[in-house]
Amino acid sequence: EPEVTQTPSHQVTQMGQEVILRCVPISNHLYFYWYRQILGQKVEFLVSFYNNEISEKSEIFDDQFSVERPDGSNFTLKIRSTKLEDSAMYFCASGTYLNSPLHFGNGTRLTVT
Amino acid sequence: AQRVTQPEKLLSVFKGAPVELKCNYSYSGSPELFWYVQYSRQRLQLLLRHISRESIKGFTADLNKGETSFHLKKPFAQEEDSAMYYCALKNSGGSNYKLTFGKGTLLTVNP
Repeated sequence: EPEVTQTPSHQVTQMGQEVILRCVPISNHLYFYWYRQILGQKVEFLVSFYNNEISEKSEIFDDQFSVERPDGSNFTLKIRSTKLEDSAMYFCASGTYLNSPLHFGNGTRLTVT
Repeated sequence: AQRVTQPEKLLSVFKGAPVELKCNYSYSGSPELFWYVQYSRQRLQLLLRHISRESIKGFTADLNKGETSFHLKKPFAQEEDSAMYYCALKNSGGSNYKLTFGKGTLLTVNP
């Protein structure tokens, strides 16, 4: 069964550094999402992406965040200047059509020191 | 604002016992409710959604609009059911599949 894949599984970075989290959604999916989960807290919606543009973003998704689909397969989340509070598990998800269930990746654990 | 509450952080039962994981929601419109499961070291997976009214792995959940609840139930728990369970809400309609998750309940089924 096809899966959403995320790399790396764990990323450690210093405060102020830029980080790019990578995701390869399932190939025929059209809707892409990033969620995050700070340790001990809820899984929170960050951003949704469709037709090469952001369709919705949360309050968390400020100017430090950006998403891109640089080619036909990758979907990236960039954090420009990481802060300690960005430490979390970041989940990528994709779906075939608007109301299809989401398929999640295994997540990338980001640790900002 | 929409909100999902899972009052139990941890739930421990013995194999063969009934299990109920509680979920309450707050939403002004007509919500779609889901249960997601995350087994140890695995990804979040959709377990079931209320509009399908199905039973997956012996689990069922009924949407109770009067009580704004969507509790997950299984009559006889198995050890392999041990996992983290998340209740989630999606606003019906809407331009995307934005989910609001609860904090999750860690279910442990003891032998």
